[in-house]
Amino acid sequence: DQQVKQNSPSLSVQEGRISILNCDYTNSMFDYFLWYKKYPAEGPTFLISISSIKDKNEDGRFTVFLNKSAKHLSLHIVPSQPGDSAVYFCAASPQGGSEKLVFGKGTKLTVNP
Amino acid sequence: KAGVTQTPRYLIKTRGQQVTLSCSPISGHRSVSWYQQTPGQGLQFLFEYFSETQRNKGNFPGRFSGRQFSNSRSEMNVSTLELGDSALYLCASSVSLNEKLFFGSGTQLSVL
Repeated sequence: DQQVKQNSPSLSVQEGRISILNCDYTNSMFDYFLWYKKYPAEGPTFLISISSIKDKNEDGRFTVFLNKSAKHLSLHIVPSQPGDSAVYFCAASPQGGSEKLVFGKGTKLTVNP
Repeated sequence: KAGVTQTPRYLIKTRGQQVTLSCSPISGHRSVSWYQQTPGQGLQFLFEYFSETQRNKGNFPGRFSGRQFSNSRSEMNVSTLELGDSALYLCASSVSLNEKLFFGSGTQLSVL
């Protein structure tokens, strides 16, 4: 039973364009959501988060949108850069923090020069 | 400030053996979590320790165990290894429970 789903295993975009990574969740108790980025041979690094009291959070080129009614969140990267090529994991927590984080399976983003 | 350190980086074992992985958290971090990453399942939560006590446990068999020492360093042990245990094992530390996680680079375990 997968509570956090990233239905696109991979995504390819051109440099300078927008990358949109999607994530769906099933557990209505989740109230805190995070995105992590992972390069090969490295551990995931925190990218951006959003709590359920908000529907949008921005940090530079990265914006996360949360649609609670649809149990859906998305990560927008504008403009995309080749260095953004990595695997992106969506994660959710019912506790408002990192306790018992539940991760999706990841989406591999490739940004082509 | 040094990041989360995991040793060893790579490990090859055979079925039936046991293995111990080590994790040194960021200085000052008291919570350590362990995750298993496989291509098919993504990151799956194993367990979380805080102040030498296991606070949460994921849905893994009893062959997977862990502990945390007074200096916050943590070890996880897998006994009677199976082929399906081949994975990247990631350790993450945080200042406390419900805080942002910082991951190490992982230990790549191959079971032959």
